[in-house]
Amino acid sequence: GENVEQHPSTLSVQEGDSAVIKCTYSDSASNYFPWYKQELGKRPQLIIDIRSNVGEKKDQRIAVTLNKTAKHFSLHITETQPEDSAVYFCAASNSGSGYSTLTFGKGTMLLVSP
Amino acid sequence: NAGVTQTPKFQVLKTGQSMTLQCAQDMNHEYMSWYRQDPGMGLRLIHYSVGAGITDQGEVPNGYNVSRSTTEDFPLRLLSAAPSQTSVYFCASSYAQGLRGSPLHFGNGTRLTVT
Repeated sequence: GENVEQHPSTLSVQEGDSAVIKCTYSDSASNYFPWYKQELGKRPQLIIDIRSNVGEKKDQRIAVTLNKTAKHFSLHITETQPEDSAVYFCAASNSGSGYSTLTFGKGTMLLVSP
Repeated sequence: NAGVTQTPKFQVLKTGQSMTLQCAQDMNHEYMSWYRQDPGMGLRLIHYSVGAGITDQGEVPNGYNVSRSTTEDFPLRLLSAAPSQTSVYFCASSYAQGLRGSPLHFGNGTRLTVT
């Protein structure tokens, strides 16, 4: 099955700095890569996603890049703010044969200090 | 729409007890799934369903049963609770039966402790 590795496990930045979280996946058939943000005690919520026919996608301060050859995708947050502090999860959709499932990385705890 | 609703929010069980975690969605989503979240382990798929009457196992299915008799409901049953099943459980749904390329919508979670 699909295996998703996520780094770093924790990331501390100063307000206004940029933050980058990186993920790799193992299944070359995967074609959908969402990112979820989970605040303390809350449910995961989708913040951005990218499909395999696109190399980069941007939404205000958040961007995601995908390198299909290297099976690598990254989340970039610019001008970080304290409210960006949360756990971020990357995921990959294993399309395989039949129905697909979503495999998650182990998460990155981002702490933005004022 | 209420979205994905999970009950209860908190539960404490003794080893060997059984219980059912409830999940309901009012978005007419075909795809529903159960994940467990443990510290440092991310979200791991327990079981999923692509429509009424169709279920399949995920990464960590042992000790859990599911059924999907209606589009709206997808209960998760713990047959004989063990301390290793202490976790936060999330139900999630998606509009696409095959999931591919469609986002998951999560419920608020059930925090389960097994003593």
